[in-house]
Amino acid sequence: AQKVTQAQTEISVVEKEDVTLDCVYETRDTTYYLFWYKQPPSGELVFLIRRNSFDEQNEISGRYSWNFQKSTSSFNFTITASQVVDSAVYFCALSEALSGNTPLVFGKGTRLSVIA
Amino acid sequence: DVKVTQSSRYLVKRTGEKVFLECVQDMDHENMFWYRQDPGLGLRLIYFSYDVKMKEKGDIPEGYSVSREKKERFSLILESASTNQTSMYLCASKTRGNEASGNWGLVYEQYFGPGTRLTVT
Repeated sequence: AQKVTQAQTEISVVEKEDVTLDCVYETRDTTYYLFWYKQPPSGELVFLIRRNSFDEQNEISGRYSWNFQKSTSSFNFTITASQVVDSAVYFCALSEALSGNTPLVFGKGTRLSVIA
Repeated sequence: DVKVTQSSRYLVKRTGEKVFLECVQDMDHENMFWYRQDPGLGLRLIYFSYDVKMKEKGDIPEGYSVSREKKERFSLILESASTNQTSMYLCASKTRGNEASGNWGLVYEQYFGPGTRLTVT
């Protein structure tokens, strides 16, 4: 069975601090996909990144970076020099590649508050 | 840009009422999903559909039904609303890829609507 654990329920940081959001997953498949989404106060989930299990390269996009480590089944998300606009709930998700129809399984989310 | 729209942002209904939540996507996506989101529980899958007239139960289908008569529209129905169905409801869609384009079996991201906050009193 698939499972995603985001152990950090809430995190508060001061603006300009770096922050890492943890994501640990469980799956029996060797082929799977991992995702991160951002849910700002407006409520709509915004897709941030998709990564498949064969691509262990870390990814950087501006102030965002992702660290994928198969050995520890983790896909952590780091925001560098955080800003107030980064305040949101962040979800990590997993999908086994059974078919293109497979729904995503989400973690419970981490609420990030960035204080000015 | 993918657009997923939901019929209402806020809805208040009475216990026992039949409630329809509508979701429409404009990207010709095969797959559509209904989730509910509750504090501390994250997103839980209610139902999903991988084609017109097809539906699959998710993790918490009890008390809900769905309808997909057209590819772009996926409706969630609460046959007899109860207070424990007060929640945020999120619709999503995604493509499944196709064999002809060589991406069959790949898993793509889901695109979400803005959500409907339903209160049942």
